[in-house]
Amino acid sequence: GAGVSQSPSNKVTEKGKDVELRCDPISGHTALYWYRQSLGQGLEFLIYFQGNSAPDKSGLPSDRFSAERTGGSVSTLTIQRTQQEDSAVYLCASSSSRDAYNSPLHFGNGTRLTVT
Amino acid sequence: DAKTTQPNSMESNEEEPVHLPCNHSTISGTDYIHWYRQLPSQGPEYVIHGLTSNVNNRMASLAIAEDRKSSTLILHRATLRDAAVYYCILRGGFGNEKLTFGTGTRLTIIP
Repeated sequence: GAGVSQSPSNKVTEKGKDVELRCDPISGHTALYWYRQSLGQGLEFLIYFQGNSAPDKSGLPSDRFSAERTGGSVSTLTIQRTQQEDSAVYLCASSSSRDAYNSPLHFGNGTRLTVT
Repeated sequence: DAKTTQPNSMESNEEEPVHLPCNHSTISGTDYIHWYRQLPSQGPEYVIHGLTSNVNNRMASLAIAEDRKSSTLILHRATLRDAAVYYCILRGGFGNEKLTFGTGTRLTIIP
């Protein structure tokens, strides 16, 4: 079946511009996660959705970052006034159960964001 | 979040078994032990998870110590495709749904 889909796969933008990154989770998955991974670094948690609500936004690095999820499905991560340090691979994952700690996460292949 | 400790890197010969260790001495009773791996230029991939008993699936086996303070991921017959960074992660309880990734173990397979 279809996995987690992210678009675009690559995005190059100029410093100061806004960008939107999209995630289509696996159909029926209620939990959705955003992570980012800078070059050669580990994965950094950004935000977690259960349905359309975000009970854990603790990883968003600044108020330039926001995310929403509509219809319990597609999610959009928005970065305003991009900075060079925002350059990273942004990864989305979904999982199937409200008991999320006992359900595996399925990751997409990410959006590589380059801020010039 | 409870922490895990893994070796930074390991090497193994192709077609031989690989044992990847993980220490988690501060694990709580509700923490599940999850393993993920990340191949180059890809998102992480779920491998296996367990709570107390040893677990087997088509990819690997997970051996959990009786006191749960350590575990070992076992790849029974390594292939070149198994070269990846392997992450051991504790995950438990309501309000702690996210996965917190450490630095993992970089596994190199020698042909």
